[in-house]
Amino acid sequence: KAGVTQTPRYLIKTRGQQVTLSCSPISGHRSVSWYQQTPGQGLQFLFEYFSETQRNKGNFPGRFSGRQFSNSRSEMNVSTLELGDSALYLCASGDTGGTEAFFGQGTRLTVV
Amino acid sequence: QKEVEQNSGPLSVPEGAIASLNCTYSDRGSQSFFWYRQYSGKSPELIMFIYSNGDKEDGRFTAQLNKASQYVSLLIRDSQPSDSATYLCAVNADSSYKLIFGSGTRLLVRP
Repeated sequence: KAGVTQTPRYLIKTRGQQVTLSCSPISGHRSVSWYQQTPGQGLQFLFEYFSETQRNKGNFPGRFSGRQFSNSRSEMNVSTLELGDSALYLCASGDTGGTEAFFGQGTRLTVV
Repeated sequence: QKEVEQNSGPLSVPEGAIASLNCTYSDRGSQSFFWYRQYSGKSPELIMFIYSNGDKEDGRFTAQLNKASQYVSLLIRDSQPSDSATYLCAVNADSSYKLIFGSGTRLLVRP
């Protein structure tokens, strides 16, 4: 059974640019949630998609957005990048029962 | 007050000892509780989840939940140097995956 796949693994972007990250969940999982991890703030919840609908949203500015496709793959977009957006972005794939959340390898974003 | 609190450590134990990691949470409506292990430079790895009061065992790991005290712990028996990592506690309030994480406890197992 394939795990959670995130692409790309590493990104370097310039301030003001935008970026799109991709996450393919475990087969059969319909939930994809996104997290930002930084040394100072730890792991923070961005948003969760379930069956193509945003089910939950964290306290991040509107520059952070996402979507989910009919095959459960999800994308996260960050517009007008700021230096503070440099972080490890993780997605987690979940089943319908709220009991299993498995993380992908993450995308390391560096904004210069 | 943070929603999920963990002692940052490091917690240092000798090889073969029991490591005890603790976590408290503020939302009484929290339903599910997760323990993740994260090695430096890697993504979090799910160790186990628990949602009922009491103990849940899986191999060398035991999760303990006390909802009245809003407290969840993870015991690692026969600790190995390979267990050295940061352990993250996470909670959610329903069957969704809006997980609220603690800042993690760094565990060091001395050979």
